[in-house]
Amino acid sequence: NAGVMQNPRHLVRRRGQEARLRCSPMKGHSHVYWYRQLPEEGLKFMVYLQKENIIDESGMPKERFSAEFPKEGPSILRIQQVVRGDSAAYFCASSGGGGQFFGPGTRLTVL
Amino acid sequence: GENVEQHPSTLSVQEGDSAVIKCTYSDSASNYFPWYKQELGKRPQLIIDIRSNVGEKKDQRIAVTLNKTAKHFSLHITETQPEDSAVYFCAANSGGGADGLTFGKGTHLIIQP
Repeated sequence: NAGVMQNPRHLVRRRGQEARLRCSPMKGHSHVYWYRQLPEEGLKFMVYLQKENIIDESGMPKERFSAEFPKEGPSILRIQQVVRGDSAAYFCASSGGGGQFFGPGTRLTVL
Repeated sequence: GENVEQHPSTLSVQEGDSAVIKCTYSDSASNYFPWYKQELGKRPQLIIDIRSNVGEKKDQRIAVTLNKTAKHFSLHITETQPEDSAVYFCAANSGGGADGLTFGKGTHLIIQP
């Protein structure tokens, strides 16, 4: 029973480039959440999606950030024109309606 | 929106002793309170959770208590072991349903041998 999968695990981008982070939920889970974690800090909620729908994006910056969870394939968090302040660990979690289970995270470094 | 405060930020206990971590929340509509354990460089792992219709829940050495009136909940770890050393996060949902979680800032638990 595969858990939540994320790729890539590490991503290095130069300022101004685009970052694409992918998340495959646990089998049977239809709820996906994205969180950002800065070093030595807690996790900050960004966006909550179900298949083909954004349910709550209140934690996601309005500019440069977008998320999707298509009918087929993984959920994608896209960051356009990255800046140094975007460097962080990005975790996704999935749920079947109960507890949220986290993936291993993508560590984004912006040079 | 929801605000979750967590104390202490660092907790050092002797192996075999108990550890207690406390959290408060602000949104009275919150009804789901999970606890996560995160080791350095790893993913947060759900270790126990409680819903607002329950006052206490126990799983082996771990227990969680919830006081809805006072809006606080606590994690209790008994007979601590070296492998319990990690950062622990409490969280609360944003008012019901399968919402995003608001996390506390974490407690670094150190188990002294």
